[in-house]
Amino acid sequence: QVQLVQSGAEVKKPGASVKVSCKASGYTFDTYAISWVRQAPGQGPEWMGWLSGYNGYPTYAQQFQGRVTMTRDTSTSTAYMELRSLRYDDTAVYFCAREGSGTYQFDYWGQGTLVTVSS
Amino acid sequence: DIQMTQSPSSLSASVGDRVTITCRARQTISNYLNWYQQKPGEAPRLLIYAASTLQSGVPSRFSGGGSGTHFTLTIRSLQPEDFATYYCQQSYTGRTFGQGTKVDIK
Repeated sequence: QVQLVQSGAEVKKPGASVKVSCKASGYTFDTYAISWVRQAPGQGPEWMGWLSGYNGYPTYAQQFQGRVTMTRDTSTSTAYMELRSLRYDDTAVYFCAREGSGTYQFDYWGQGTLVTVSS
Repeated sequence: DIQMTQSPSSLSASVGDRVTITCRARQTISNYLNWYQQKPGEAPRLLIYAASTLQSGVPSRFSGGGSGTHFTLTIRSLQPEDFATYYCQQSYTGRTFGQGTKVDIK
């Protein structure tokens, strides 16, 4: 069965960076895109960007351009999301999600990684 | 970014009620519209994709409709496990979520 397993919770200081991993299993990793979505406390989901399944090329949402890097390691079927220059309002649960064929729907999700930015 | 607007933002309903949630896109998105259910502490769960296609394993009381800029999610007979927050999401250009509709018990 398809599974996305993310790395554990992180606590970071303002200005630091965080790197979250997402290990996929149960399907051919490089045939589906992976998106990253975050959700601040009490807020709706916010899309951050995606990694092409075909070539691993990233596309970032405009509001994260210059501060986020998405990569992958096909040898371990793992996707990564690094966010730099962390601010207090980056405190959120970060999810990875597989994009299904059809209308790029998020058909499988990781369990989420809580990133807390605190001094 | 394509802005997505859901209505209502919240509603109260009883078990057995028929519930409809509306989602409007600021510009046409064809049928690139997906619906999710989220419960506290959980990841969102895909219910409907391509505006009206039921995801595998999702009960048939859920249905979706619409195209272009106007879409609906209908729950035919609300069950206790359906009390949750529902989000629409466009995938036509980038990806954008609606602000959510919280369905709670009347």
